Amino acid sequence: NAGVMQNPRHLVRRRGQEARLRCSPMKGHSHVYWYRQLPEEGLKFMVYLQKENIIDESGMPKERFSAEFPKEGPSILRIQQVVRGDSAAYFCASSTDRGDEKLFFGSGTQLSVL
Amino acid sequence: SQQGEEDPQALSIQEGENATMNCSYKTSINNLQWYRQNSGRGLVHLILIRSNEREKHSGRLRVTLDTSKKSSSLLITASRAADTASYFCATDAEKLVFGKGTKLTVNP
Repeated sequence: NAGVMQNPRHLVRRRGQEARLRCSPMKGHSHVYWYRQLPEEGLKFMVYLQKENIIDESGMPKERFSAEFPKEGPSILRIQQVVRGDSAAYFCASSTDRGDEKLFFGSGTQLSVL
Repeated sequence: SQQGEEDPQALSIQEGENATMNCSYKTSINNLQWYRQNSGRGLVHLILIRSNEREKHSGRLRVTLDTSKKSSSLLITASRAADTASYFCATDAEKLVFGKGTKLTVNP
């Protein structure tokens, strides 16, 4: 049973470009969470999704950021018109049920904006 | 916010010693979880303790929970160099909220 798969592992973008981060949850998991981590910081919640639904996006910036978890395929975190401040590690986690159960994390995508 | 806050921010010990990390939180919880993160990697779940539990063990890990003080502690006994990592507590609501973590260094 493969774990949570995130790709790419590293992503380099120039200011103004778009970044697409992908996350395939563990088999059987229908809940996906995206977190952002700055160096030496904890994880900041961004968005919580179930299949085809955004349940909680309270941690996601209102502009330029969007997330989806389609019926088929991975969850996508999309950042439009990236700026240097978007540089961070983005982690995806999945669970079988809502947030009171343990999360399984992917290895993250390190986004660097030049 | 129900963010957990870990204390100390950094801890350096010798192999074989015990390491204790603390977590404080602000509001009522259903459960509290501890996670570990090796440098550059995702978090790995260590242990979950529910609000009606006071203590839980898993191998060399011992977690306590004091809901009256809104605090939890993680004890790693007989530490090893491989325990070097950052440790985070997370409290639940509709989503897990993580603290900034304790960076543990175990020196051989």
